[in-house]
Amino acid sequence: AQSVTQPDIHITVSEGASLELRCNYSYGATPYLFWYVQSPGQGLQLLLKYFSGDTLVQGIKGFEAEFKRSQSSFNLRKPSVHWSDAAEYFCAVGRGHNAGNMLTFGGGTRLMVKP
Amino acid sequence: DAGVTQSPTHLIKTRGQHVTLRCSPISGHKSVSWYQQVLGQGPQFIFQYYEKEERGRGNFPDRFSARQFPNYSSELNVNALLLGDSALYLCASGGLNQPQHFGDGTRLSIL
Repeated sequence: AQSVTQPDIHITVSEGASLELRCNYSYGATPYLFWYVQSPGQGLQLLLKYFSGDTLVQGIKGFEAEFKRSQSSFNLRKPSVHWSDAAEYFCAVGRGHNAGNMLTFGGGTRLMVKP
Repeated sequence: DAGVTQSPTHLIKTRGQHVTLRCSPISGHKSVSWYQQVLGQGPQFIFQYYEKEERGRGNFPDRFSARQFPNYSSELNVNALLLGDSALYLCASGGLNQPQHFGDGTRLSIL
């Protein structure tokens, strides 16, 4: 069975600083990987996805993520954080043929941004 | 275009009752999935339906059931509610192998 681990429950960064959120996955086949963001009281918004091809993927809001098969990781990065980026971030892996479906999520990382 | 819409937004029930949650997918999307998000945790997959057929089921008891209608909208039903069923229930729609688009969820509280 697949699993996703987000080692950092909380992260605080200063506005304008760079950001990296860690994600490690366990999956027997080629993984389909996603990062979602959730603001309080709202649903999940897709930031970016990796299905195949280039291991560095670009997403919305200036985010990018790099797939590293050897490390079973899919870390999310942003070069300069804005106060509006404060939210909960979830990494997820999709199963087999239903690549974008039946997602297994990590426990999330709550990002706080200092002025 | 309208996103995924869920109703109601909030619901309060007591233990042992039954609840029905509703979801309307984005126009053109034929797949609907349901997730349970307990406070402080990541969402957990409950069901996926595509073209009115169940395509996947998570590790939830039989008290949880769902269905998809000809217009691709969906209902999630939970019987014999327990305190532990208190959560945000998220609906997502998409294509069969496309990323899911999530609604804002239904907040279910069990007293």
